[in-house]
Amino acid sequence: GALVYQYPRRTICKSGTSMRMECQAVGFQATSVAWYRQSPQKTFELIALSTVNSAIKYEQNFTQEKFPISHPNLSFSSMTVLNAYLEDRGLYLCGARDEALQNTLYFGAGTRLSVL
Amino acid sequence: GEQVEQLPSILRVQERSSASINCTYENSASNYFPWYKQEPGENPKLIIDIRSNMERKQIQGLIVLLDKKAKRFSLHITDTQPADSAMYFCAASVGRGYQNFYFGKGTSLTVIP
Repeated sequence: GALVYQYPRRTICKSGTSMRMECQAVGFQATSVAWYRQSPQKTFELIALSTVNSAIKYEQNFTQEKFPISHPNLSFSSMTVLNAYLEDRGLYLCGARDEALQNTLYFGAGTRLSVL
Repeated sequence: GEQVEQLPSILRVQERSSASINCTYENSASNYFPWYKQEPGENPKLIIDIRSNMERKQIQGLIVLLDKKAKRFSLHITDTQPADSAMYFCAASVGRGYQNFYFGKGTSLTVIP
């Protein structure tokens, strides 16, 4: 079956430091990967949509300078939160999709970021 | 882009009754509408979806209705069980090819035994 692994599951970083999270697709080709942040209020915010071998499209209020994303192949993507501050806390989810499987978006378990 | 509104934000129902969650969207080009269930500490999992060429879809006790004219879609859970208690999210996907998914803010469903 199609699975998406995310790691680390939880991380704590000091204010002003950076942390990297990774997303691995197993059992399908992740032709596109969407990164979301889920706030404590449970709202999903789309950060960016990445398609392999194509430009990464960032949503309003999110920038490459703050959330650089790498999507080098059909099974892996990573995102870094640079200069993390309190407002960056939350659960970061990657959702991966294979266009051959049509629209189904498979989510990883998320990386929970705490900032001290 | 797309804006998805989801109501109610909190829903409590008695076991074996039905639960209904409603979502509206703005972009008439949206053509795919998945529903996700998220249990505490878990990732969102796709439970049912509907495409714009359909009006109704049922998988066991889950029914999804789509009214394209009204730009509204809904999830109905029949014969609810305590195990159905979770957060539910609707989403809309717009465009062709590589699509962004826009999520509603979620509904916290509690099924009371």
